[in-house]
Amino acid sequence: EAQVTQNPRYLITVTGKKLTVTCSQNMNHEYMSWYRQDPGLGLRQIYYSMNVEVTDKGDVPEGYKVSRKEKRNFPLILESPSPNQTSLYFCASSSPDARNEQFFGPGTRLTVL
Amino acid sequence: GENVEQHPSTLSVQEGDSAVIKCTYSDSASNYFPWYKQELGKRPQLIIDIRSNVGEKKDQRIAVTLNKTAKHFSLHITETQPEDSAVYFCAAELYGNNRLAFGKGNQVVVIP
Repeated sequence: EAQVTQNPRYLITVTGKKLTVTCSQNMNHEYMSWYRQDPGLGLRQIYYSMNVEVTDKGDVPEGYKVSRKEKRNFPLILESPSPNQTSLYFCASSSPDARNEQFFGPGTRLTVL
Repeated sequence: GENVEQHPSTLSVQEGDSAVIKCTYSDSASNYFPWYKQELGKRPQLIIDIRSNVGEKKDQRIAVTLNKTAKHFSLHITETQPEDSAVYFCAAELYGNNRLAFGKGNQVVVIP
């Protein structure tokens, strides 16, 4: 089954404790993105990757890191989480061969205390 | 960069009536405009999209219209049903490389 998976789905952590949210897709898509969703603010892009080893900042990259060492994986790293990073995070993948439709993962709800 | 705005933020309609959500965008170079539906607690999913070489596209009860001159596009839902209740996001493609700028979303409530 074609899908985008994220782990963990829910995470409660404390300020300053490094964490990684994994994202994996099995559709061989070139493009992958991370978004955060906050009430009233919609979906804001954090980071974007056009292919392996090619990443670019989105609209709200501060406090986040990403890597794209393999085509299928695009982890989101919070080196020192802060309470303002409490949010719902979505990973998405797409490909020009798939009409550029963005396929979203199930989301990760992160709470930073 | 691209700026996408959606109006209204919340829309309540009686079951069976039509719902229209309008989005405006700022970058005249954008040429791909998708709409995503997000049901409560779920991920956004594409419901319809349009490219700039057409002015309208329909898929059963939903349709999207595009006015490139005025830089706005709209989602039309006819014969609304309770399962149409959701948040709808419009988006516009940035820079022609599949990056999307999303609007803030519209909450549509269909009243039975």
